Amino acid sequence: KAGVTQTPRYLIKTRGQQVTLSCSPISGHRSVSWYQQTPGQGLQFLFEYFSETQRNKGNFPGRFSGRQFSNSRSEMNVSTLELGDSALYLCASSSQGENTEAFFGQGTRLTVV
Amino acid sequence: GESVGLHLPTLSVQEGDNSIINCAYSNSASDYFIWYKQESGKGPQFIIDIRSNMDKRQGQRVTVLLNKTVKHLSLQIAATQPGDSAVYFCAEIPPFSGNTPLVFGKGTRLSVIA
Repeated sequence: KAGVTQTPRYLIKTRGQQVTLSCSPISGHRSVSWYQQTPGQGLQFLFEYFSETQRNKGNFPGRFSGRQFSNSRSEMNVSTLELGDSALYLCASSSQGENTEAFFGQGTRLTVV
Repeated sequence: GESVGLHLPTLSVQEGDNSIINCAYSNSASDYFIWYKQESGKGPQFIIDIRSNMDKRQGQRVTVLLNKTVKHLSLQIAATQPGDSAVYFCAEIPPFSGNTPLVFGKGTRLSVIA
C-alpha cells in the first residue's frame, strides 16, 4: 500500500509569489491534514480536510488555503509569499475513525527568497 | 501557545543503553497521545500511541508511559541503536477535535553514541 505522497519535494520561490503544494493520501483515507514545520515554531497545524470539506483550521493567515478533491487528494496554496513562509510543509492522512494514527508524507521543503 | 512540550531538546545515549524521552502536556482532558520519530529529510513516522484509559503500552523495543496525575508522557527505547538517532515528538489530540489537530511538542533530538 503506497504511503502519503507529497509533490514537489523541494521548491524555491520569491517573495510575493504564490505556491501550490500537493498531497495524495493513503488509499482509502479521507482525512488530510497539513502542518508547517520550522525550527523556531516546530510542527504547527494548518488545516484538515475531510470529504472535500475543511473540518478544522489552525491559526494561520488567510494567505494559507487548501482544498480537497473527490479522490481525497489535497492541495494547499500560499499566496503573497513571505520569507517567514520558508518551512517544511507536511501532509498527513488518516482514516475516518476517531483517535486513529496519522501517516505523514516526506514533506515539501519551501524556500522563499 | 504550546500545550505539549518536552523537557530536553537533546539527548545523547550510548549504543545499547536505554533511552527515556519525556513530554509534558497541559490539557488534562486530552485522550489520545502519539509518539513520532522524524529522521533527517523525512516526515514524522508513527512509533506508538496510547489512550488516556491506559498508563502503559509496549511495542517492539519501545514503551510509552502516561501519568495523567502530573500530565506527563514518556517514551522508553530499550537497547538504543544508531538507527534510533532522530528527533522524537510527542503529540496529543485535545478532546472533541476528532483526529486533529495534533498538537506537537518541539521535539527531542536523540543522538546515539557508538
